[in-house]
Amino acid sequence: DVKVTQSSRYLVKRTGEKVFLECVQDMDHENMFWYRQDPGLGLRLIYFSYDVKMKEKGDIPEGYSVSREKKERFSLILESASTNQTSMYLCASRGLASSYEQYFGPGTRLTVT
Amino acid sequence: QKEVEQNSGPLSVPEGAIASLNCTYSDRGSQSFFWYRQYSGKSPELIMSIYSNGDKEDGRFTAQLNKASQYVSLLIRDSQPSDSATYLCAVGSSNTGKLIFGQGTTLQVKP
Repeated sequence: DVKVTQSSRYLVKRTGEKVFLECVQDMDHENMFWYRQDPGLGLRLIYFSYDVKMKEKGDIPEGYSVSREKKERFSLILESASTNQTSMYLCASRGLASSYEQYFGPGTRLTVT
Repeated sequence: QKEVEQNSGPLSVPEGAIASLNCTYSDRGSQSFFWYRQYSGKSPELIMSIYSNGDKEDGRFTAQLNKASQYVSLLIRDSQPSDSATYLCAVGSSNTGKLIFGQGTTLQVKP
Protein backbone atom coordinates (compact mmCIF):
# COMPACT_ATOMS: atom_id res chain seq x y z
CA ASP A 1 0.00 0.00 0.00
CA VAL A 2 1.22 3.47 -0.90
CA LYS A 3 2.43 5.47 2.06
CA VAL A 4 3.55 9.10 2.12
CA THR A 5 3.96 10.73 5.51
CA GLN A 6 4.58 14.32 6.52
CA SER A 7 6.24 15.39 9.74
CA SER A 8 3.42 17.56 11.08
CA ARG A 9 -0.32 17.97 10.45
CA TYR A 10 -0.42 21.45 11.95
CA LEU A 11 2.39 23.92 12.48
CA VAL A 12 2.43 27.48 13.82
CA LYS A 13 5.54 29.58 13.27
CA ARG A 14 6.51 33.21 13.68
CA THR A 15 7.51 35.57 10.89
CA GLY A 16 11.22 35.29 10.13
CA GLU A 17 11.64 31.77 11.50
CA LYS A 18 13.30 29.05 9.44
CA VAL A 19 10.80 26.25 8.88
CA PHE A 20 11.46 22.66 7.86
CA LEU A 21 8.71 20.45 6.42
CA GLU A 22 9.62 16.80 6.03
CA CYS A 23 8.14 14.20 3.72
CA VAL A 24 8.90 10.49 3.68
CA GLN A 25 7.69 7.83 1.24
CA ASP A 26 8.12 4.09 1.55
CA MET A 27 7.38 3.06 -2.05
CA ASP A 28 10.93 3.49 -3.38
CA HIS A 29 9.60 6.21 -5.69
CA GLU A 30 12.06 8.21 -7.74
CA ASN A 31 10.07 11.43 -8.03
CA MET A 32 8.86 13.64 -5.19
CA PHE A 33 6.93 16.91 -5.22
CA TRP A 34 5.99 19.79 -2.93
CA TYR A 35 2.77 21.73 -3.55
CA ARG A 36 0.89 24.37 -1.69
CA GLN A 37 -2.89 24.67 -1.84
CA ASP A 38 -4.78 27.88 -1.22
CA PRO A 39 -8.50 28.64 -1.64
CA GLY A 40 -9.22 29.97 -5.11
CA LEU A 41 -5.68 29.25 -6.33
CA GLY A 42 -5.73 25.48 -6.39
CA LEU A 43 -2.64 23.29 -6.18
CA ARG A 44 0.59 25.02 -7.10
CA LEU A 45 3.90 23.24 -7.56
CA ILE A 46 6.77 24.65 -5.50
CA TYR A 47 9.64 22.24 -6.20
CA PHE A 48 10.12 18.71 -7.39
CA SER A 49 12.90 16.16 -7.42
CA TYR A 50 13.47 13.51 -10.05
CA ASP A 51 16.02 11.62 -7.97
CA VAL A 52 18.37 11.89 -5.02
CA LYS A 53 20.23 15.23 -4.89
CA MET A 54 18.28 16.47 -7.92
CA LYS A 55 15.79 19.31 -7.73
CA GLU A 56 13.81 21.43 -10.14
CA LYS A 57 11.90 24.65 -9.56
CA GLY A 58 8.17 24.48 -9.94
CA ASP A 59 5.80 27.35 -10.56
CA ILE A 60 6.29 29.25 -7.28
CA PRO A 61 9.77 28.53 -5.84
CA GLU A 62 10.43 31.99 -4.41
CA GLY A 63 10.99 31.92 -0.66
CA TYR A 64 11.49 28.16 -0.59
CA SER A 65 14.32 25.68 -0.95
CA VAL A 66 14.43 21.88 -0.87
CA SER A 67 16.75 19.06 0.06
CA ARG A 68 16.81 15.45 -1.06
CA GLU A 69 19.74 13.58 0.43
CA LYS A 70 18.01 10.19 0.54
CA LYS A 71 15.59 8.66 -1.91
CA GLU A 72 12.75 8.34 0.57
CA ARG A 73 12.95 11.83 2.07
CA PHE A 74 12.20 15.24 0.55
CA SER A 75 12.37 18.35 2.70
CA LEU A 76 10.88 21.77 2.06
CA ILE A 77 12.58 24.71 3.74
CA LEU A 78 11.15 28.16 4.29
CA GLU A 79 14.28 30.21 4.83
CA SER A 80 12.49 33.11 6.53
CA ALA A 81 8.80 32.46 7.00
CA SER A 82 6.35 35.18 6.03
CA THR A 83 2.61 35.51 6.58
CA ASN A 84 1.91 34.96 2.88
CA GLN A 85 3.35 31.48 3.26
CA THR A 86 0.45 30.47 5.49
CA SER A 87 -1.02 27.59 3.53
CA MET A 88 -1.65 23.84 3.26
CA TYR A 89 1.56 22.14 2.11
CA LEU A 90 1.24 18.82 0.31
CA CYS A 91 3.97 16.36 -0.53
CA ALA A 92 3.53 13.76 -3.28
CA SER A 93 5.58 10.97 -4.76
CA ARG A 94 5.57 9.04 -8.02
CA GLY A 95 7.33 5.95 -9.26
CA LEU A 96 8.76 5.90 -12.78
CA ALA A 97 6.70 2.86 -13.61
CA SER A 98 3.41 4.40 -12.51
CA SER A 99 2.63 6.60 -15.54
CA TYR A 100 2.35 9.95 -13.76
CA GLU A 101 0.26 8.65 -10.83
CA GLN A 102 1.10 10.81 -7.86
CA TYR A 103 0.26 9.88 -4.28
CA PHE A 104 -0.14 12.56 -1.67
CA GLY A 105 0.77 12.72 1.99
CA PRO A 106 -1.75 13.97 4.57
CA GLY A 107 -0.60 17.59 4.30
CA THR A 108 0.78 20.15 6.74
CA ARG A 109 -1.32 23.19 7.55
CA LEU A 110 1.22 25.92 8.28
CA THR A 111 0.24 29.17 9.94
CA VAL A 112 2.79 31.98 10.05
CA THR A 113 1.95 34.74 12.55
CA GLN B 1 -7.15 29.78 -21.34
CA LYS B 2 -6.43 27.64 -18.29
CA GLU B 3 -4.57 24.42 -18.98
CA VAL B 4 -7.13 22.28 -17.12
CA GLU B 5 -10.62 23.62 -16.63
CA GLN B 6 -13.37 22.42 -14.32
CA ASN B 7 -16.63 23.97 -13.24
CA SER B 8 -16.13 24.91 -9.59
CA GLY B 9 -19.74 24.08 -8.66
CA PRO B 10 -21.13 23.27 -6.26
CA LEU B 11 -22.78 20.43 -8.09
CA SER B 12 -25.70 19.22 -6.02
CA VAL B 13 -27.32 15.82 -6.62
CA PRO B 14 -29.79 13.75 -4.57
CA GLU B 15 -28.66 10.54 -2.93
CA GLY B 16 -28.81 7.63 -5.37
CA ALA B 17 -28.49 9.80 -8.49
CA ILE B 18 -25.64 9.87 -11.01
CA ALA B 19 -23.14 12.69 -10.54
CA SER B 20 -21.32 13.84 -13.67
CA LEU B 21 -18.11 15.80 -13.33
CA ASN B 22 -16.40 17.30 -16.36
CA CYS B 23 -12.92 18.54 -17.25
CA THR B 24 -11.33 19.99 -20.38
CA TYR B 25 -7.63 20.37 -21.06
CA SER B 26 -5.49 22.28 -23.53
CA ASP B 27 -2.39 20.07 -24.05
CA ARG B 28 -3.17 17.90 -27.10
CA GLY B 29 -0.15 15.69 -26.40
CA SER B 30 -1.29 14.63 -22.91
CA GLN B 31 -1.52 10.88 -22.45
CA SER B 32 -2.48 10.44 -18.80
CA PHE B 33 -5.50 11.67 -16.89
CA PHE B 34 -6.51 11.38 -13.27
CA TRP B 35 -9.32 12.09 -10.86
CA TYR B 36 -8.56 12.88 -7.23
CA ARG B 37 -11.09 13.18 -4.42
CA GLN B 38 -10.39 15.68 -1.66
CA TYR B 39 -12.44 15.91 1.50
CA SER B 40 -12.45 19.22 3.32
CA GLY B 41 -9.22 19.66 5.28
CA LYS B 42 -7.68 16.49 3.85
CA SER B 43 -5.21 15.75 1.08
CA PRO B 44 -6.14 14.60 -2.45
CA GLU B 45 -6.71 10.87 -2.89
CA LEU B 46 -6.25 9.23 -6.29
CA ILE B 47 -9.47 7.47 -7.30
CA MET B 48 -9.20 6.96 -11.07
CA SER B 49 -6.53 6.91 -13.79
CA ILE B 50 -7.28 6.71 -17.50
CA TYR B 51 -4.91 6.62 -20.46
CA SER B 52 -6.97 5.48 -23.48
CA ASN B 53 -10.06 6.83 -25.18
CA GLY B 54 -13.29 5.36 -23.91
CA ASP B 55 -14.62 4.35 -20.54
CA LYS B 56 -12.93 2.84 -17.50
CA GLU B 57 -15.08 1.53 -14.70
CA ASP B 58 -14.13 0.90 -11.07
CA GLY B 59 -17.03 0.13 -8.78
CA ARG B 60 -19.43 3.08 -8.77
CA PHE B 61 -16.93 5.26 -10.62
CA THR B 62 -16.55 5.54 -14.40
CA ALA B 63 -13.93 7.72 -16.05
CA GLN B 64 -14.48 8.73 -19.66
CA LEU B 65 -11.81 10.09 -21.99
CA ASN B 66 -12.16 11.71 -25.40
CA LYS B 67 -8.75 12.92 -26.60
CA ALA B 68 -10.10 14.37 -29.84
CA SER B 69 -12.37 16.68 -27.87
CA GLN B 70 -9.79 17.09 -25.07
CA TYR B 71 -12.39 16.12 -22.56
CA VAL B 72 -12.38 13.83 -19.53
CA SER B 73 -15.27 13.12 -17.19
CA LEU B 74 -16.07 11.21 -14.03
CA LEU B 75 -19.42 9.58 -13.41
CA ILE B 76 -20.41 8.51 -9.91
CA ARG B 77 -23.36 6.14 -9.87
CA ASP B 78 -25.65 5.70 -6.86
CA SER B 79 -24.18 8.81 -5.25
CA GLN B 80 -23.86 8.72 -1.47
CA PRO B 81 -23.54 11.57 1.05
CA SER B 82 -20.01 10.25 1.69
CA ASP B 83 -19.16 11.17 -1.92
CA SER B 84 -19.54 14.86 -1.00
CA ALA B 85 -16.08 16.29 -1.63
CA THR B 86 -14.06 18.31 -4.10
CA TYR B 87 -12.99 16.37 -7.19
CA LEU B 88 -9.75 17.42 -8.87
CA CYS B 89 -9.00 16.62 -12.49
CA ALA B 90 -5.28 16.25 -13.27
CA VAL B 91 -3.57 15.89 -16.63
CA GLY B 92 -0.01 14.72 -17.31
CA SER B 93 1.95 17.34 -19.23
CA SER B 94 3.34 15.99 -22.48
CA ASN B 95 6.63 17.88 -22.20
CA THR B 96 7.43 18.46 -18.52
CA GLY B 97 6.48 15.26 -16.71
CA LYS B 98 4.37 17.25 -14.28
CA LEU B 99 0.71 16.95 -13.40
CA ILE B 100 -1.48 19.94 -14.19
CA PHE B 101 -4.45 20.22 -11.81
CA GLY B 102 -7.80 21.84 -12.35
CA GLN B 103 -9.33 24.00 -9.63
CA GLY B 104 -11.73 21.24 -8.64
CA THR B 105 -15.49 20.73 -8.62
CA THR B 106 -17.33 20.60 -5.30
CA LEU B 107 -19.93 17.84 -5.19
CA GLN B 108 -22.75 17.85 -2.66
CA VAL B 109 -24.87 14.71 -2.33
CA LYS B 110 -28.06 15.44 -0.41
CA PRO B 111 -29.79 12.68 1.58
